[in-house]
Amino acid sequence: GAVVSQHPSRVICKSGTSVKIECRSLDFQATTMFWYRQFPKQSLMLMATSNEGSKATYEQGVEKDKFLINHASLTLSTLTVTSAHPEDSSFYICSARYQGYEQYFGPGTRLTVT
Amino acid sequence: RKEVEQDPGPFNVPEGATVAFNCTYSNSASQSFFWYRQDCRKEPKLLMSVYSSGNEDGRFTAQLNRASQYISLLIRDSKLSDSATYLCVVKPSFSGGYNKLIFGAGTRLAVHP
Repeated sequence: GAVVSQHPSRVICKSGTSVKIECRSLDFQATTMFWYRQFPKQSLMLMATSNEGSKATYEQGVEKDKFLINHASLTLSTLTVTSAHPEDSSFYICSARYQGYEQYFGPGTRLTVT
Repeated sequence: RKEVEQDPGPFNVPEGATVAFNCTYSNSASQSFFWYRQDCRKEPKLLMSVYSSGNEDGRFTAQLNRASQYISLLIRDSKLSDSATYLCVVKPSFSGGYNKLIFGAGTRLAVHP
């Protein structure tokens, strides 16, 4: 149990375009999902906390108008990177809270902006 | 000062060796502590939670010293498959009820034959 999927696993897009990443909890309902970003050889940095049916809570320094989060159901949260630039190229990982403190992570999405 | 600090390594050890990783955290009110393992270009996976009394899971032993704000992970009889980055993770007390986790940058372990 506690499987989280992400789609797509890898995406290459042109500068100025928008990219949507989906995070799904496959066998459980997740009222809370988290979005992280990881640059090479750095730690995971929490970008935002996504709660079903309400607005996401963004971490300091993360632009909410650039990184749009929607958590429309108990099994799906989406992250849209709007007007992507090369510096947005990174590994984006979501996680979902399952039964208490544990978080289960999706396999990640590698975004490359050219 | 970073909230969670780890020695980045890499630790290069032969198979069968015992290796220890250390981690310090800055928030004395932190509630929960974990070690995650991350393989190259993959997502982190929970290795074990860390309890105040210390806990063991097979070849892995985790210790917590709240007074020193220090967490450790000991791996005995290293296997080639243990090669990965080990992430020290802390749940701060001010997470606003959302169970936010703070990740260290990770310590890289390379086990060689």
